[in-house]
Amino acid sequence: EIVMTQSPATLSVSPGDEVTLSCRASQGLSLNLAWYQQKPGQTPRLLIYAASTRATGVPARFSGSGFGTEFTLTISSLQAEDFGVYYCQQYNDWSPYTFGQGTKLEVK
Amino acid sequence: QVQLQGSGPGLVKPLETLSLTCTVSGGSIRGHYWSWIRQPPGKGLEWIAYIYYSGSTNYNPSLKSRVTISIDTSTNRFSLSLSSVTAADTAVYYCARGVGSGYYYMDVWAEGTTVTVS
Repeated sequence: EIVMTQSPATLSVSPGDEVTLSCRASQGLSLNLAWYQQKPGQTPRLLIYAASTRATGVPARFSGSGFGTEFTLTISSLQAEDFGVYYCQQYNDWSPYTFGQGTKLEVK
Repeated sequence: QVQLQGSGPGLVKPLETLSLTCTVSGGSIRGHYWSWIRQPPGKGLEWIAYIYYSGSTNYNPSLKSRVTISIDTSTNRFSLSLSSVTAADTAVYYCARGVGSGYYYMDVWAEGTTVTVS
């Protein structure tokens, strides 16, 4: 099983900040990495797939990068609606698909 | 625009079988992979299984002995059965569509169905 490790677990930030979230895989994924946003009580929403491709309707302030085992999600200017939990997920190996434990963005 | 809606009982007794259904609307169930994912209270996401419209399946090894996923292309529905449930199976259960070419990420998710084992 591929283990996904996200850091930090919690990030205290303010609107307008630039935020960088990290995700590390225990094995190489090529570009088969997705990022999801989950707000409290809501369904996860796909933000990024193929490591750096924004999903339909995702604002340009969200960007993804990385390859292999190291990936990052950057939010260039944090908006109030961006607070929540962010998960990375590998889909390179389907036995099984695995998620990181999440990074929570909270108001500083 | 494709939408998914999960349904099923919110309360299941220990050692019984949990059964959930996901209905796909606004698009065809054909040509895609369809997954179940769950999230225990206050915890992260765990992928359970997927099924291709043709019927081929893949299960999380940690749950494989208790899980069955099935699909009905005539009604645009797919289903999950989880047997011998315990309190550890209490979670919000999501169904989602898998898209891609060779490697499949989940682009559309249903609102979750909360299942309590008690």
